[in-house]
Amino acid sequence: AQKVTQAQTEISVVEKEDVTLDCVYETRDTTYYLFWYKQPPSGELVFLIRRNSFDEQNEISGRYSWNFQKSTSSFNFTITASQVVDSAVYFCALSESWYSSASKIIFGSGTRLSIRP
Amino acid sequence: SAVISQKPSRDICQRGTSLTIQCQVDSQVTMMFWYRQQPGQSLTLIATANQGSEATYESGFVIDKFPISRPNLTFSTLTVSNMSPEDSSIYLCSVARDSSEETQYFGPGTRLLVL
Repeated sequence: AQKVTQAQTEISVVEKEDVTLDCVYETRDTTYYLFWYKQPPSGELVFLIRRNSFDEQNEISGRYSWNFQKSTSSFNFTITASQVVDSAVYFCALSESWYSSASKIIFGSGTRLSIRP
Repeated sequence: SAVISQKPSRDICQRGTSLTIQCQVDSQVTMMFWYRQQPGQSLTLIATANQGSEATYESGFVIDKFPISRPNLTFSTLTVSNMSPEDSSIYLCSVARDSSEETQYFGPGTRLLVL
């Protein structure tokens, strides 16, 4: 069965600090997708990144970076030089991929990130 | 990504009543989904809204409680029927452009409080 674990319920750091959000997943499939979404206080869910199981290259987008390691079934998210606007709940998610259909996404429990000025 | 809107954005309802939530997309999409997010919790898929046929419900969700319509490729509704305080949640619709698109994009959500 699929499962996504975000062990960090809440994290609080001071602005400009770097912070890493952990995500560990379980799946029996060899083909799957991993996602990160951000949910600011307004409530909308903002898509941040998608990785497929065959692409283990780390990715950097501005202050955001993602470290995908299949050996440890982890897909961690790092924010460098955090800002108050980064305060939100962050969800890691997993979907198993069948070639011809968009699949059900399983969400982790989320990590609430608070950036203090 | 698609632009997705939901109506209403929030509502306060009385126990025993029903509320219909609308989800509108600015372009045709093949896949539409409805999720529930209970207070302080993660997201749970309620059902996949299928255009022209009955929705596909996840375990624990039934059509009588959460009837869904999908009359075309840009619009869907979710009704929360015979509401109780336990139905107080954020309800979100999401879309995937086509059946091979793995990324789902979410609407702004509908915050529902049942008294």
